[in-house]
Amino acid sequence: EDQVTQSPEALRLQEGESSSLNCSYTVSGLRGLFWYRQDPGKGPEFLFTLYSAGEEKEKERLKATLTKKESFLHITAPKPEDSATYLCAVQALLGQKVTFGTGTKLQVIP
Amino acid sequence: NAGVTQTPKFQVLKTGQSMTLQCAQDMNHEYMSWYRQDPGMGLRLIHYSVGAGITDQGEVPNGYNVSRSTTEDFPLRLLSAAPSQTSVYFCASTQSDGLPLHFGNGTRLTVT
Repeated sequence: EDQVTQSPEALRLQEGESSSLNCSYTVSGLRGLFWYRQDPGKGPEFLFTLYSAGEEKEKERLKATLTKKESFLHITAPKPEDSATYLCAVQALLGQKVTFGTGTKLQVIP
Repeated sequence: NAGVTQTPKFQVLKTGQSMTLQCAQDMNHEYMSWYRQDPGMGLRLIHYSVGAGITDQGEVPNGYNVSRSTTEDFPLRLLSAAPSQTSVYFCASTQSDGLPLHFGNGTRLTVT
């Protein structure tokens, strides 16, 4: 069974303090790994898709990386507007099911 | 271009009542799905559809029913609401496998 574990559950950073969020996964053949951002009262918003180990994607202060067992979401010099819950999800090669982790709640303090 | 639209945003039901959560997308996506989100449990798949006339069960299908008569719409029916169905429900769609899901803004359901 596909599994996704995210750590830490919650992270509090000072503005400008860089850090990383972890997503460990097990899947029977990876079709894609997805990162989403979710603000309170909203649906998840797509950030990145990674398809193979070694791949990296960047968007503003966010950078996502992928190995065969885990993915990292690096946040460089975060701002208060980066505060949100970040979700990781995987899709296996066989079937359409997407399995989500429970998320990391990030709070960036001014 | 509205994306994925869910109605209502909030709903309170009494145990045993039935209702339908509406979901519509205007992106011509073939794949649509329903998730529930509960604290500490992540998003869990309820039902999904790979095209009009085709539906299948996800991880937690009991107590829910779906149909897909058009590409645009994918309603979720609660047959007899129970307190365990108190949750936030999200509808999502995508064009095909390997592409990211597009989510609606959810329906917060409380069953008393």
